[in-house]
Amino acid sequence: GAVVSQHPSWVICKSGTSVKIECRSLDFQATTMFWYRQFPKQSLMLMATSNEGSKATYEQGVEKDKFLINHASLTLSTLTVTSAHPEDSSFYICSARPGGDGYTFGSGTRLTVV
Amino acid sequence: QKEVEQDPGPLSVPEGAIVSLNCTYSNSAFQYFMWYRQYSRKGPELLMYTYSSGNKEDGRFTAQVDKSSKYISLFIRDSQPSDSATYLCAMSIGASGSRLTFGEGTQLTVNP
Repeated sequence: GAVVSQHPSWVICKSGTSVKIECRSLDFQATTMFWYRQFPKQSLMLMATSNEGSKATYEQGVEKDKFLINHASLTLSTLTVTSAHPEDSSFYICSARPGGDGYTFGSGTRLTVV
Repeated sequence: QKEVEQDPGPLSVPEGAIVSLNCTYSNSAFQYFMWYRQYSRKGPELLMYTYSSGNKEDGRFTAQVDKSSKYISLFIRDSQPSDSATYLCAMSIGASGSRLTFGEGTQLTVNP
């Protein structure tokens, strides 16, 4: 089936630094990708919708200057957490729809900011 | 009121039991319905996808949609310890490019 590859699977960074998370659609083209955030024992919260070749659409309350999204090609979207702080520690997951079926998710990235 | 309501559980059953997971929704515009399974520290895995009222079966899993009652269910037959995970219902208004709205997730434990 369709695969969305997400890297890294986990990352630890120091407070104030930036972290980039990559999401690739391996065997299909994704015009649109979605970025979610998930806290322990909670459901997924949509952060932004990433559109190839245009600006991302952010959900209410999500800081666009902190969570930079780039969707430069039909197979790659990146999320950069800038000037990370401990409260940004969370599980970040990307998703895309191969077409004709449900949405496929990446394996997630666990970010810990110390 | 949340658009999608799902009993968070936790739900604990013996191996071999039939499991019933349910979600209700308030937005009649939802047309596409999905069930995902999520293991701890992993991304959600698509189990079932449907867009019409009625039943859809895939192996031990049956998805049921009742659009008139705004109610969807996932049944797991002959449950196995490997089915222990969090199950999320999700739905969308449109097809590709349309955002998903998730339930809170139900944590299921199948005891051997």
